[in-house]
Amino acid sequence: DAMVIQNPRYQVTQFGKPVTLSCSQTLNHNVMYWYQQKSSQAPKLLFHYYDKDFNNEADTPDNFQSRRPNTSFCFLDIRSPGLGDAAMYLCATSRGGQGSTYEQYFGPGTRLTVT
Amino acid sequence: GQNIDQPTEMTATEGAIVQINCTYQTSGFNGLFWYQQHAGEAPTFLSYNVLDGLEEKGRFSSFLSRSKGYSYLLLKELQMKDSASYLCAVKRSYIPTFGRGTSLIVHP
Repeated sequence: DAMVIQNPRYQVTQFGKPVTLSCSQTLNHNVMYWYQQKSSQAPKLLFHYYDKDFNNEADTPDNFQSRRPNTSFCFLDIRSPGLGDAAMYLCATSRGGQGSTYEQYFGPGTRLTVT
Repeated sequence: GQNIDQPTEMTATEGAIVQINCTYQTSGFNGLFWYQQHAGEAPTFLSYNVLDGLEEKGRFSSFLSRSKGYSYLLLKELQMKDSASYLCAVKRSYIPTFGRGTSLIVHP
């Protein structure tokens, strides 16, 4: 089945210790997104790639970086995690374009704990 | 900018009908999604509206009024497994922005 895969599902890191979350997709979608979701809050878009073009949201902290080495893979790097970065991180994909449904497909998420 | 408003929590009885409302203000509009999210899981797509009116899909229906900036999700014949958070998301260009979701609790 075509799908979005995130690894690991649970990640524990220490305050200030860099961490990388990964996402892969078999849907061949050209758009990939990273969202941060805290308890009982809306998923907050951090950034997205449209093909190779990187798009950063204005309020995404500099502490967060992303890489997309190819169509299938996307990484979220948190350079110096703080306690406030503990959250669920969701990767999503979609086809790009405005003219149709093009709904997002989400991975299962990575729950990040910062100690 | 965008502003999306949904009730925080609703409760309903198994077998009943429930309507979850979403109001939005946006500087551009290219469609509205509804997603379902069970606790600790990823959101899954339920419906999409881009034109005014009602879209029906089995037990779930979604309505849109663009002039009023209003949508609702209607769930019929509620089942216990429908207990989840329901997220309204407004698409501007190809990017959806999510509301904080409505937590629906279905009890026997």
